[in-house]
Amino acid sequence: KNEVEQSPQNLTAQEGEFITINCSYSVGISALHWLQQHPGGGIVSLFMLSSGKKKHGRLIATINIQEKHSSLHITASHPRDSAVYICAVSLNTDKLIFGTGTRLQVFP
Amino acid sequence: NAGVMQNPRHLVRRRGQEARLRCSPMKGHSHVYWYRQLPEEGLKFMVYLQKENIIDESGMPKERFSAEFPKEGPSILRIQQVVRGDSAAYFCASSRTSGRAVEQFFGPGTRLTVL
Repeated sequence: KNEVEQSPQNLTAQEGEFITINCSYSVGISALHWLQQHPGGGIVSLFMLSSGKKKHGRLIATINIQEKHSSLHITASHPRDSAVYICAVSLNTDKLIFGTGTRLQVFP
Repeated sequence: NAGVMQNPRHLVRRRGQEARLRCSPMKGHSHVYWYRQLPEEGLKFMVYLQKENIIDESGMPKERFSAEFPKEGPSILRIQQVVRGDSAAYFCASSRTSGRAVEQFFGPGTRLTVL
């Protein structure tokens, strides 16, 4: 079993829909990261959080430490949100452990 | 303020050749991480370096792979005698400090193809 599990693996949505991507982890962590990877492109860090909730534009990330679970929400989704969203955790060291990613496609 | 830079962006090598991947961290960052993304797989940690020191190389294959981060110049990930299974995207990330909850900034990656 992977230490970081994401669901769903693939997600399609119509423009304007509210989107939720889930991440569960099985180890104690110091922080959880949400990353975005565009096709053929690099990786952008969206959020780093260790408790509570963070918001940036149409993106919201939440984490429940007791339940070892985090969610990434996208409100009013747009085709340009189409990308792979990756959850990663850092343990007691600096290295990150990654989920396998959620491939999101938003259609106009 | 340039972000993390990696070069080359694409690298093609024949089996048995050497591959050198370079990573220049963001200005003011002295911590560098290398990650590998095999086709259709998730990212995996390879090595963590500070200037002139390898801090954690627990993700590095035991043979043919090495990494350095000299006092001057970029960090280098070196793969000797490449094989087809080395074909992957190699990402570098950097951070200003070390610690348990530190944001890492990623470069655009180097896509290595071994023929």
